[in-house]
Amino acid sequence: DVKVTQSSRYLVKRTGEKVFLECVQDMDHENMFWYRQDPGLGLRLIYFSYDVKMKEKGDIPEGYSVSREKKERFSLILESASTNQTSMYLCASRDPDRGGAEAFFGQGTRLTVV
Amino acid sequence: RKEVEQDPGPFNVPEGATVAFNCTYSNSASQSFFWYRQDCRKEPKLLMSVYSSGNEDGRFTAQLNRASQYISLLIRDSKLSDSATYLCVVSRGAGNMLTFGGGTRLMVKP
Repeated sequence: DVKVTQSSRYLVKRTGEKVFLECVQDMDHENMFWYRQDPGLGLRLIYFSYDVKMKEKGDIPEGYSVSREKKERFSLILESASTNQTSMYLCASRDPDRGGAEAFFGQGTRLTVV
Repeated sequence: RKEVEQDPGPFNVPEGATVAFNCTYSNSASQSFFWYRQDCRKEPKLLMSVYSSGNEDGRFTAQLNRASQYISLLIRDSKLSDSATYLCVVSRGAGNMLTFGGGTRLMVKP
């Protein structure tokens, strides 16, 4: 089974802190994604990566950066956390070129910024 | 305008009913189409891919109309366990970026 693991289920951080959300996948997938999910707004793409060290901005990249130094790991960084970044963060991985178009999600990280 | 639009619902239906969800997408360069299901407080999971010729998986039928940029999902003989949020998803671009609709919530009642 494909497994996508996010480092924390719940996180509480203070305004202004630098926050790291980690995501690891074990299926050698090329594509990895970071989304945030908010009531009434659905899943919105923050960043995605289609290869090591490659990244593209999604729909809402402001206030975020990402790092993909190794194929299996995709990190989301909040440079200076703000209260409007309180949300559920979901990581996903996918490799459409290898017989499967399914995106596999981690269990999510519920981040609260106080 | 959102790239992928869905009626948020909720759709409240009795067991055994047939229910249909619609989705429109704005980017004509979209390449692949999917329906995902998300249970409360869980991550989304693939329900089915959507092919140009239409496809069926048990009680679920998906249709794609590229000319109208419209995708549908039909659920026949609804079960209580079908209660969930259904997400319309399109992919586009060289990197196969996935864009999700806001989801349609279904509640099946006894």
